[in-house]
Amino acid sequence: DADVTQTPRNRITKTGKRIMLECSQTKGHDRMYWYRQDPGLGLRLIYYSFDVKDINKGEISDGYSVSRQAQAKFSLSLESAIPNQTALYFCATSDAGPNTEAFFGQGTRLTVV
Amino acid sequence: AQSVTQPDIHITVSEGASLELRCNYSYGATPYLFWYVQSPGQGLQLLLKYFSGDTLVQGIKGFEAEFKRSQSSFNLRKPSVHWSDAAEYFCAVGLYNQGGKLIFGQGTELSVKP
Repeated sequence: DADVTQTPRNRITKTGKRIMLECSQTKGHDRMYWYRQDPGLGLRLIYYSFDVKDINKGEISDGYSVSRQAQAKFSLSLESAIPNQTALYFCATSDAGPNTEAFFGQGTRLTVV
Repeated sequence: AQSVTQPDIHITVSEGASLELRCNYSYGATPYLFWYVQSPGQGLQLLLKYFSGDTLVQGIKGFEAEFKRSQSSFNLRKPSVHWSDAAEYFCAVGLYNQGGKLIFGQGTELSVKP
């Protein structure tokens, strides 16, 4: 099984709908992240969490919310999806400390029509 | 503000040729630097990382990168490219003073021709 699992892998939704992307990890890491990838823009940080009670906005948090249900679970919600939220979304985890690598899930491809 | 720039959006090399992917960063403190690779339909896999010490770091799949503080660069190299190296490559800087968050470059897509 993958260390970082994202569900669903692909999703098509309509404008205005609420959608949740889920992430779970078996690495035992405290830190979890949500990134979005757009062509030509690389990955940009949406939200991050250093532990269950510590959640922070990233550079592009507008239109998104998150929930850290447990150390191993970190969900990303789009309260009212819009077409420019069509993107590839990645969840990642890392151990505490600034010099550790991040481990990424396989990604969720979201299309908002 | 912190940033990472990968000047080349797309590079094509012949199989067996050498490769260099460029990465420049802007960060006021000691940088933690990473190269990740993304194969089609896959997540990101770490190729190599630099935290301190020897400025030439070796990674997986025969890749290496050299940290040059004076040029704010961390270029990725491989002496002989294989067709399986075709992928998108991302350079990233870890923010030491912000808990290690990653700032990514725009990515470089590598195509390999026979």
